[in-house]
Amino acid sequence: EVQLVESGGGLVQPGGSLRLSCAASTFTFSSYEMHWVRQAPGKGLEWLSYISRSGDTIYYADSVKGRFTISRDNAENSLYLQMNSLRAEDTAVYYCAREASYGYSFDYWGQGTLVTVSS
Amino acid sequence: QSALTQPASVSGSPGRSITISCTGTSSDIGSYNLVSWYQQHPGKAPKLIIYEGNKRPSEVSNRFSGSKSGITASLTISGLQAEDEADYYCCSYAGSRPYVFGSGTKVTVL
Repeated sequence: EVQLVESGGGLVQPGGSLRLSCAASTFTFSSYEMHWVRQAPGKGLEWLSYISRSGDTIYYADSVKGRFTISRDNAENSLYLQMNSLRAEDTAVYYCAREASYGYSFDYWGQGTLVTVSS
Repeated sequence: QSALTQPASVSGSPGRSITISCTGTSSDIGSYNLVSWYQQHPGKAPKLIIYEGNKRPSEVSNRFSGSKSGITASLTISGLQAEDEADYYCCSYAGSRPYVFGSGTKVTVL
């Protein structure tokens, strides 16, 4: 069974930084495009960022562009999200998600990691 | 990047059918037949139930079906069961953006 396990969430002050990790296992990580999606408490899903298999193509939602950086290490089977200049509105559960081999949808999700931005 | 529009809630009796709409624009749903749907139970991660508008992953029940007309996609759940009570989200590829989710619909089984 495909496994995606996020880590790195926690409480951070406004303006602070945090780095999320997503450890992938039981599939060939380097063969799949990956995404980050978040969900604020009691709210809907928000797509945040995409990275291609090799990492050479990256997209961001406007809400995080210039503050968040997605990256991957295929040798370590890991996906990352560096989050800087955090705001209260960034408080959410952050999910990593695998893009399906047939594309344009997310076939496996991690369990999520909670990021709370508060003073 | 405005969210796609879904009704906040839809309800139905066991065994009946319900349909959830997802309205976008000519830049997302209207331009691409690449809508996916996700089911999310409380405290759980979303689960893919429909991709490319009307295709089901092999492990998903055939009680779930998808369709599209113009800028509106729809998810139909037939033979409603208690386990279908959950939140449902649509998502569309949107070219340069490139993905946008719907606002979410809470399904209640009466």
